Amino acid sequence: GEEVAQTPKHLVRGEGQKAKLYCAPIKGHSYVFWYQQVLKNEFKFLISFQNENVFDETGMPKERFSAKCLPNSPCSLEIQATKLEDSAVYFCASSQPSGNTIYFGEGSWLTVV
Amino acid sequence: ELKVEQNPLFLSMQEGKNYTIYCNYSTTSDRLYWYRQDPGKSLESLFVLLSNGAVKQEGRLMASLDTKARLSTLHITAAVHDLSATYFCAVDPSGAGTASKLTFGTGTRLQVTL
Repeated sequence: GEEVAQTPKHLVRGEGQKAKLYCAPIKGHSYVFWYQQVLKNEFKFLISFQNENVFDETGMPKERFSAKCLPNSPCSLEIQATKLEDSAVYFCASSQPSGNTIYFGEGSWLTVV
Repeated sequence: ELKVEQNPLFLSMQEGKNYTIYCNYSTTSDRLYWYRQDPGKSLESLFVLLSNGAVKQEGRLMASLDTKARLSTLHITAAVHDLSATYFCAVDPSGAGTASKLTFGTGTRLQVTL
């Protein structure tokens, strides 16, 4: 498709519960990125993939966060044992290898209560 | 660590006026992006600047890049209400030819009043 598709749009979880977010990149794009946007507009890079391989995971809180991009499946970002501070909008983005244009999805709003 | 600073953080301007948003970054980069975000919405790509001296224009917006000064500007000409949004610059320090993580500025919330 011609857009980055993210699901769900909204997700509410109690503290300690698991949250899983999905992202279908634009067809033909081999790079996928996950970003977290917190309330003060700050964007934090989490992880990127080149096809199904982790490309850069320097932003991932590894204790509770994990991500995958498997062939023929949407990419996923999973948070085990959510905390209040995980409340944010999680954006997925994709690009071709040149990276000259990076397209963002609509985001998934995670609220941890 | 790459730092990206935007100013102003908030800008209220009247329709018809001109103004410039500034984006400074701390390390060498040849690739800089400008995005627009409406409340509760995704990031809309406005410009990608790929080299020193690059200038791009679309409608009332014009972006430029000075890699030596590590500065990009987003100039708004004759603002209209529809331009009200938050504008982000983002820097890719990896150089052209590869897709890499972006470091975002703090955003500039633009409010255009009638």
